[in-house]
Amino acid sequence: QSALTQPASVSGSPGQSITISCTGTSSDVGGYNYVSWYQQHPGKAPKLMIYEVSNRPSGVPDRFSGSKSGNTASLTISGLQAEDEADYYCSSYTSSSTNVVFGGGTKLTVL
Amino acid sequence: EVQLVESGGGLVKPGGSLRLSCAASGFTFSSYSMNWVRQAPGKGLEWVSSISSSSSYIYYADSVKGRFTISRDNAKNSLYLQMNSLRAEDTAVYYCARDAGVGATPYWYFDLWGRGTLVTVSS
Repeated sequence: QSALTQPASVSGSPGQSITISCTGTSSDVGGYNYVSWYQQHPGKAPKLMIYEVSNRPSGVPDRFSGSKSGNTASLTISGLQAEDEADYYCSSYTSSSTNVVFGGGTKLTVL
Repeated sequence: EVQLVESGGGLVKPGGSLRLSCAASGFTFSSYSMNWVRQAPGKGLEWVSSISSSSSYIYYADSVKGRFTISRDNAKNSLYLQMNSLRAEDTAVYYCARDAGVGATPYWYFDLWGRGTLVTVSS
């Protein structure tokens, strides 16, 4: 069982917006602004999409945005495109001995 | 080109050992904390271990503590993971990942990943 809880799957049509939630505790998501999101296509390495809750690395489209409220972080993808179909993982620093925790991952299907 | 390339994976029997390597290029390796993150087949990501830029700070996940040892050689731009007493549940793709923070303090998110190396523990 992962430390952070994500929905197993979400779907949307091209052009639509979707939001993926990531729920933790006050020891991780709620306690720190070190929430990040990764995109992973099948057979590929993860790619950093959002860091420190809402910041985008250079090269990531502004269709991707992040936010946080309490113990829940969210990744929103607007104007869905076919290439957005992938697995998405949230991650957070944690005050536990683990230091870093990941969510179980969400499979995004673009219909 | 900025990249990380893992090697050393393979098939090993339970109780056996394996040493993974990660070769870094295209950036100042000695300035960054580095990590190993693994992914069991069909499963999610799991952070395994972290080492600070000068090897002063080392951290392990509880699941590997006492069995795995992370190290680095800044002169060779290389990161290592010595894995002993391997178990079936250690079967995974092991990724080398760069911490996004420059300097001694990690940011605990990872902005550069290798393509991974597969470790299979089976009799």
